[in-house]
Amino acid sequence: EIVLTQSPGTLSLSPGERATLSCRASQRVNSMYLAWYQQKVGQAPRLLIYGTSSRATGIPDRFSGSGSGTDLTLTISRLEPEDSAVYYCQQWGGSPLYTFGQGTKLEIK
Amino acid sequence: QVQLQESGPGLVKPLGTLSLICDVSGDSIYNDWWWSWVRQPPGKGLEWIGEIHHSGRTHYNPSLKSRVTISIGNSNNQFSLNVDSVTAADTAVYFCARDSSGRYSLGHWGQGTLITVSS
Repeated sequence: EIVLTQSPGTLSLSPGERATLSCRASQRVNSMYLAWYQQKVGQAPRLLIYGTSSRATGIPDRFSGSGSGTDLTLTISRLEPEDSAVYYCQQWGGSPLYTFGQGTKLEIK
Repeated sequence: QVQLQESGPGLVKPLGTLSLICDVSGDSIYNDWWWSWVRQPPGKGLEWIGEIHHSGRTHYNPSLKSRVTISIGNSNNQFSLNVDSVTAADTAVYFCARDSSGRYSLGHWGQGTLITVSS
C-alpha cells in the first residue's frame, strides 16, 4: 500500500497569508496520479488539483499544486476565511487503487 | 452537470448487510467512467472502498474485498454498494463518486449519507 503522510496536522493562519501544505508518499508516484481535495465541515470532498498541478474546473488560481517523486505541495495564496477546511492528498495506482493522506486542517483565524 | 445522490437505511444492525444506492443524474452510468464508493468514519479521514465500470469490471480495497460488492443497478441510472457482516467499525458517512475526465482522481461526489451500525 502507498501511504501518504501529510504535514502539518493543523495550520493556523490569518487572512491574506499564504498556506503551504505538504504530502509525502511512501514510494514514488507518477505525477499524473496525484490530487488534492478540500473538505469543509459537513460537506463532501471537492477536487482542487489533479495531475499534481492542474486546477479542477472552477478552482481559483489562488490554489496551486507542485511536486514530483514522493513529495507533493499544495499552496494557497491570499487566504480567505472560506478556505477553512481539511485538505487531503490522494494517489491512484497502488493497492488499494486510491489512498488518501490523513488530512491537514487549515484554520483561518 | 453530473449529480450523485446516496440513499440508504441510516441504521444497520451488527452482523447485518449494509446496502446503499447511488442515483446518478446529468450523466449516464453507461458512459466511460468509473463509479466509486468512499467512506469516512466520524471525525476521521477518507477510505476508498471500490469502483465499478458499466462493463462490470470492479476494483476493491483489499482490506474490505471479502465483504464488499459493488454492482450496476438493475434499473434507472444507479449503482449500489453492499457490505456484509458489518460491525461498529463500519459506521461512517458513505459517499458515491465519479472519476474525473483524466481518470486518477474523483471529480464528482454525492453529499454522503451517514450509516450507523448499532443494535
